[in-house]
Amino acid sequence: GESVGLHLPTLSVQEGDNSIINCAYSNSASDYFIWYKQESGKGPQFIIDIRSNMDKRQGQRVTVLLNKTVKHLSLQIAATQPGDSAVYFCAERADYGGSQGNLIFGKGTKLSVKP
Amino acid sequence: DAGVIQSPRHEVTEMGQEVTLRCKPISGHDYLFWYRQTMMRGLELLIYFNNNVPIDDSGMPEDRFSAKMPNASFSTLKIQPSEPRDSAVYFCASRGTGEAYGYTFGSGTRLTVV
Repeated sequence: GESVGLHLPTLSVQEGDNSIINCAYSNSASDYFIWYKQESGKGPQFIIDIRSNMDKRQGQRVTVLLNKTVKHLSLQIAATQPGDSAVYFCAERADYGGSQGNLIFGKGTKLSVKP
Repeated sequence: DAGVIQSPRHEVTEMGQEVTLRCKPISGHDYLFWYRQTMMRGLELLIYFNNNVPIDDSGMPEDRFSAKMPNASFSTLKIQPSEPRDSAVYFCASRGTGEAYGYTFGSGTRLTVV
C-alpha cells in the first residue's frame, strides 16, 4: 500500500491578505537563515535571507523576522497573490569556526491562496 | 546564466538497474550539493563538494550511492543497484564563496524505481 507521507502544515489565505509563515530552528549556533519557495515540479527558489546580527529584513512584498531568543523565524508576505501558492522552507546555516556550514532545511509549510 | 542544469528531468528504472543523475553547476560556483527530497523526510543533504573535492558525504544513505565531480562544471550521482525506496526527487544546488550564501537549485530529477 501507499506509505504515509509527511504531513506538511498548510496555511490557507485569501488573495490580498497578508500571510505569515513560521519556522522554529534548533541550533543556537546558526548565524544565517534563508527562506525558499518551492513551486510544484520545481526546485527551491531563494526568496530572502537574514543574518543573525539582524532581527528584520525587508524585500519586495516579503519581510523576514528573526527572534534569536526563542529561535524563531517568520516570513511575512504582503498582499498575497495566487502566484505565491507554494511550499515555503526555512533553512539555517551554522558557521563553525569559519568553515562553511551546510544549510539545514525545515520540513516546509504549504501556502494555498484562494482567489 | 542558465542556472543549475540537471538531467534527466525524469527517470523510471527497474529495481537493480544502475541510475546516473547529472548536474552542471553555475559557472564560477565552487560549492556543489546533492539533495534528496521525499514526502517522508523532506530535503536531505546527501553530499557536497568544494572545488571538486567531496567534503561531507555523511548523508549518503549507503554504499549503493556514489557521487563524483571530475571537474568544476560537472557532477554525477550514481545509484547501483537501485531500489524502490530510492524513488525521490534529487536536486543539485551550487553556490560561490564570498557571495550571498543562498544556494541555487536545479529543477531536479524525479526518479522512480519500479
